[in-house]
Amino acid sequence: KAGVTQTPRYLIKTRGQQVTLSCSPISGHRSVSWYQQTPGQGLQFLFEYFSETQRNKGNFPGRFSGRQFSNSRSEMNVSTLELGDSALYLCASSPDGQGNTEAFFGQGTRLTVV
Amino acid sequence: QKEVEQNSGPLSVPEGAIASLNCTYSDRGSQSFFWYRQYSGKSPELIMFIYSNGDKEDGRFTAQLNKASQYVSLLIRDSQPSDSATYLCAVYNFNKFYFGSGTKLNVKP
Repeated sequence: KAGVTQTPRYLIKTRGQQVTLSCSPISGHRSVSWYQQTPGQGLQFLFEYFSETQRNKGNFPGRFSGRQFSNSRSEMNVSTLELGDSALYLCASSPDGQGNTEAFFGQGTRLTVV
Repeated sequence: QKEVEQNSGPLSVPEGAIASLNCTYSDRGSQSFFWYRQYSGKSPELIMFIYSNGDKEDGRFTAQLNKASQYVSLLIRDSQPSDSATYLCAVYNFNKFYFGSGTKLNVKP
């Protein structure tokens, strides 16, 4: 069974640009969550999608957005990049996003904003 | 107040010893609790999860949950150098996973 796949693995962008990250969940999983991980802040929840709908949202500015497709693949978009957006972005998939099962993480996309 | 608190460490233990990692959470209604291990430069991987008060054992790992005191701990018996990593505590509450900032564990040969 294939794991969670995130693409690309590494990105370098300049300030003001926008970026789109992709996450393919484990087959059969319908919930995809996105997290930002930085050395100072740890893992911070961005948002969660379930059946193409954003079900939960963290405390990030509107520059961070996402969507989910009918095949459960999810994309995250960050517009008008800032230096502080440099981080490891992780997505996690689970069957239903409920706490009775674990979430499996992808390898992450490391974004560097210069 | 953060939802999940962990001591950042580093926690250093000699090989073969028991490593004890602790985590406290703020919301008494939290439903389930997870421990993840993250090696440097890698993504978190699940070690185990626990829902009910008491202990849950899986190999060298034991998770302990005390809902009255709002803490969850992870014990690693017979610690190995390969256990050196950052351990993340996660709490599930109201459809969200909240993560602690992690405890760095160093197991010295």
